[in-house]
Amino acid sequence: ETGVTQSPTHLIKTRGQQVTLRCSSQSGHNTVSWYQQALGQGPQFIFQYYREEENGRGNFPPRFSGLQFPNYSSELNVNALELDDSALYLCASSLELAGGAKNIQYFGAGTRLSVL
Amino acid sequence: DQQVKQNSPSLSVQEGRISILNCDYTNSMFDYFLWYKKYPAEGPTFLISISSIKDKNEDGRFTVFLNKSAKHLSLHIVPSQPGDSAVYFCAARAAGNKLTFGGGTRVLVKP
Repeated sequence: ETGVTQSPTHLIKTRGQQVTLRCSSQSGHNTVSWYQQALGQGPQFIFQYYREEENGRGNFPPRFSGLQFPNYSSELNVNALELDDSALYLCASSLELAGGAKNIQYFGAGTRLSVL
Repeated sequence: DQQVKQNSPSLSVQEGRISILNCDYTNSMFDYFLWYKKYPAEGPTFLISISSIKDKNEDGRFTVFLNKSAKHLSLHIVPSQPGDSAVYFCAARAAGNKLTFGGGTRVLVKP
């Protein structure tokens, strides 16, 4: 049990729609990272939020966007859904200290998104 | 361009024997390496890690070895137990704590 919770667990959308996924980070953590895991592959980094600011982004188009709130929870928004967006979306939280060593990322169970 | 590769998609081992999982990487800027274990319907669970300045880290039944010159790391599980049956991901960390994952190795430990 990592203390990282994601909602919803499953979601079905149609092509062109928009979706919002939510993540509550582990108590004491200030950083949230989002990953996309397609079937049979490893997770791929989407972006990271540190103290409510985007702090790094992977190779994903701008229709993938995010937010981090003052309580360090986070949202992932995907606009204009495509069939290839069908995947498991994982959120990970960690405690990042300015100038300090990077800490371990702890993952939630994920949201499985199906785009029809 | 896959910067982290796990070339064995699956591994089957007898209970009590050693499981050896391998991982290769290409990016010299990676400074930290991690192994995660994933059960179905759960998120990846952190298992063990190693800094790029070390060549071995041990935690109970799990040992990770790093060969920087070969850009290769391995995870040894001794002895393997049925509860170890899961998918194992190798991950490498670069600046900004972004993790790059391999494709995973499915381990089956037979009783």
